Amino acid sequence: TQLLEQSPQFLSIQEGENLTVYCNSSSVFSSLQWYRQEPGEGPVLLVTVVTGGEVKKLKRLTFQFGDARKDSSLHITAAQPGDTGLYLCAGGSMRFGAGTRLTVKP
Amino acid sequence: NAGVTQTPKFQVLKTGQSMTLQCAQDMNHNSMYWYRQDPGMGLRLIYYSASEGTTDKGEVPNGYNVSRLNKREFSLRLESAAPSQTSVYFCASREAPSIPAALFTDTQYFGPGTRLTVL
Repeated sequence: TQLLEQSPQFLSIQEGENLTVYCNSSSVFSSLQWYRQEPGEGPVLLVTVVTGGEVKKLKRLTFQFGDARKDSSLHITAAQPGDTGLYLCAGGSMRFGAGTRLTVKP
Repeated sequence: NAGVTQTPKFQVLKTGQSMTLQCAQDMNHNSMYWYRQDPGMGLRLIYYSASEGTTDKGEVPNGYNVSRLNKREFSLRLESAAPSQTSVYFCASREAPSIPAALFTDTQYFGPGTRLTVL
């Protein structure tokens, strides 16, 4: 069973701060995806990482896939209230982590 | 395009009642999925259909059945609802190209969810 552990579970920060959330597993994944989910809606794909060590940037969001393809991180620079939401990672046979619930206060 | 649509949006059932959750996509996608989302547990795959005419069990299939009615529609049925099935249910679809290695790297599109309460 491929399990994905996300940390922290909750994160509350002020607008303008930087943050990093993590997605870790003891298993190797061929690919890993990050989603953001807002209240009352379904998750929306942010990025897919495939190659070990890969770094992808999406505006203020930076995603990294670990060299061993067992972990990934999401770094947000200068967070904004619009970044508020539940961040989920998913890998393997569509197995999701429990998510990090981010709140960015104005 | 409406994307992925789900009905109903909310439902309250009594223990033992049955119901069907409907899902449809207008993106001509091959694969469709049903998930449940519970607090602190993320999304868990119930059943999926890799292509029209096929269905397979996911992580938590017990108590559910599915039907891939055609390429557009994928329904989830609860034959005898239990309080443990109180959850938010999401349907999703993806194009899923035929190359197996690419199967889980393309974009998965989710519906808005159905919030089900079983009393």
